[in-house]
Amino acid sequence: DFQMTQSPSSLSASVGDRVTITCRASRDISTSLAWYQQKSGKVPDLLIYQASTLQSGVPSRFSGSGSGTHFTLTISSLQPEDVAFYYCQNYDNAPLTFGGGTKVEI
Amino acid sequence: EVQLLESGGGLVQPGGSLRLSCAASGFIFNSYTMGWVRQAPGKGLEWVSDINQSGGRTFYADSVRGRFTISRDNSRNTLDLQMTSLRAEDTAVYYCAKARLTGSSYDSWGQGTLVTVSS
Repeated sequence: DFQMTQSPSSLSASVGDRVTITCRASRDISTSLAWYQQKSGKVPDLLIYQASTLQSGVPSRFSGSGSGTHFTLTISSLQPEDVAFYYCQNYDNAPLTFGGGTKVEI
Repeated sequence: EVQLLESGGGLVQPGGSLRLSCAASGFIFNSYTMGWVRQAPGKGLEWVSDINQSGGRTFYADSVRGRFTISRDNSRNTLDLQMTSLRAEDTAVYYCAKARLTGSSYDSWGQGTLVTVSS
């Protein structure tokens, strides 16, 4: 079965810290990867698509990189409003699997 | 402004059926792939199903294939999810989502509708 493995499952960092979340695909998905942010009680928001393209309106402290099977989401300077769950998603081929999520806390 | 409004959620007994609908506005509906994503209480996101612009191609997660049917009515700008043989593990908030491009990420999401499968 195709899987997206996200790590860590949770992290706690200080305001201003650099934070990195990793997503690994069980097969090559090229750059067909998206990152979403979901704040408590809210709907998911698209942050990054095509592995590294920032969605319109997303702060530049967010960045994505990677291709093939290894991807990263980086927050260059963590802000209080970044407290949320973060999910990666494959959209190369069905199933459009999500990673298990990463909880980011201050 | 893109708006997606889900309806049809509720309490249903195991083995029962339910039909979810999503009313779309603010974009050219028949130009975009649409999908359903669910989230069980306190859990992560789970992709459920996708349908292409014409409705001629559909895709399903293994967990729902054979029980759920996705469809769309481009004349009414609506997306549906017919759910049958419901199980307790189908309990979740179901989100309607618009793809950014064909075979792409989701750039707009509805507020979700809660489906509870319980006796």
